[in-house]
Amino acid sequence: GENVEQHPSTLSVQEGDSAVIKCTYSDSASNYFPWYKQELGKGPQLIIDIRSNVGEKKDQRIAVTLNKTAKHFSLHITETQPEDSAVYFCAASIQWPSGGSYIPTFGRGTSLIVHP
Amino acid sequence: GAVVSQHPSWVICKSGTSVKIECRSLDFQATTMFWYRQFPKQSLMLMATSNEGSKATYEQGVEKDKFLINHASLTLSTLTVTSAHPEDSSFYICSASSLGGANVLTFGAGSRLTVL
Repeated sequence: GENVEQHPSTLSVQEGDSAVIKCTYSDSASNYFPWYKQELGKGPQLIIDIRSNVGEKKDQRIAVTLNKTAKHFSLHITETQPEDSAVYFCAASIQWPSGGSYIPTFGRGTSLIVHP
Repeated sequence: GAVVSQHPSWVICKSGTSVKIECRSLDFQATTMFWYRQFPKQSLMLMATSNEGSKATYEQGVEKDKFLINHASLTLSTLTVTSAHPEDSSFYICSASSLGGANVLTFGAGSRLTVL
């Protein structure tokens, strides 16, 4: 089955700095890679995703890059703010063209702390 | 966007009682719902996958008689923790995958269960 490794487990940055979280996956058939942000006591929220036919995707201060050959993908947050502090999870899964449901494999999470 | 409502958000019960957690997709039909368990500062552990109108598929090590899952309609799945014990105390999170579409996984806000 799929195995997703996520690093670092904890990341502490100063407000305004950039933060990078990296994930690797094992199943070359995986073609969908979402990132979730989980604030304390809440459920995960999708913040950005990327599919295997794209190498990079950006949404304001958040970007995700994908290297299919190396089987790794990364989340980049620029100009970090205290409200970015949360646990971030990467995931990998296979989506079928028919639109069938999938079961994502999650990384272990990264606790991001942004100091004011 | 897609919204998943989970209820209750927190519950405290006595050991030996049963607790039901509801997961509803508010603005879309969910062919598949997933139930996760999350321990403090840990990742999401998939417990089971439920498809509307059929029996849930449980992950290895998850007791199906302990954690009863019912997915009676395309908008509602329930998780019942039977004869709860203190070791069942945890954060339970549901998620739903829509019928067709991009199959983006939407999470509920989670339910904090404390068994005394």
